[in-house]
Amino acid sequence: EIVMTQSPATLSVSPGERATLSCRASQSVSSKLAWYQQKPGQAPRLLIYGASTRATGIPARFSGSGSGTEFTLTISSLQSEDFAVYYCQQYNNWPLTFGGGTKVEIK
Amino acid sequence: QVQLQESGPGLVKPSETLSLTCTVSGAFISAYYWSWIRQPPGKGLEWIGHIYYTGSTTYYNPSLKSRVSISVDTSKNLFSLRLTSVTAADTAVYFCARDKASEDYYYNYGMDVWGQGTTVTVSS
Repeated sequence: EIVMTQSPATLSVSPGERATLSCRASQSVSSKLAWYQQKPGQAPRLLIYGASTRATGIPARFSGSGSGTEFTLTISSLQSEDFAVYYCQQYNNWPLTFGGGTKVEIK
Repeated sequence: QVQLQESGPGLVKPSETLSLTCTVSGAFISAYYWSWIRQPPGKGLEWIGHIYYTGSTTYYNPSLKSRVSISVDTSKNLFSLRLTSVTAADTAVYFCARDKASEDYYYNYGMDVWGQGTTVTVSS
């Protein structure tokens, strides 16, 4: 099983600032990585697939990069609606696995 | 647009079987994989398994493999989850999702549509 490790666990950011979230895979997943956003009481929402392709309707302030074992989700200028938990997920191997999440909170 | 809705009992007794259904509206189940994911209270996401729309291919998380089965009924436009011999550790919010991928998983566009989730508590 591929283990996905996200860091930091919590990120405190002021509105308008840049947020950088990291995700590391225990072995290469090529570019088969997705990012999801989850707000309290809601289902996850797909942000990024293929490591860097924004899903339909996702604002340009969200960007993904990386390949192999190291990945980054960047939110260029945090809006109030962006404070949430973010998960990475690999789909290069079964079982599909998620990282433990990064909570982005208001500083 | 495509919408998914989970349904099933909110309370299941230990050692019994958890059965959930995900009803798809706004589109037919005519392509892609259809997934189940769960989230224990206050914890992260765990992928349970998925089924290709034809029913020809299924994959399950090995941590649950001996207890889980997923089926699809395209005539009713729904897919289902069965989890046997449940314990308190199976208490979670259960989500269904569309996994927009080809059968060989070569083309994959992520889990792009999710149900709102249903809470299942295992308790006597």
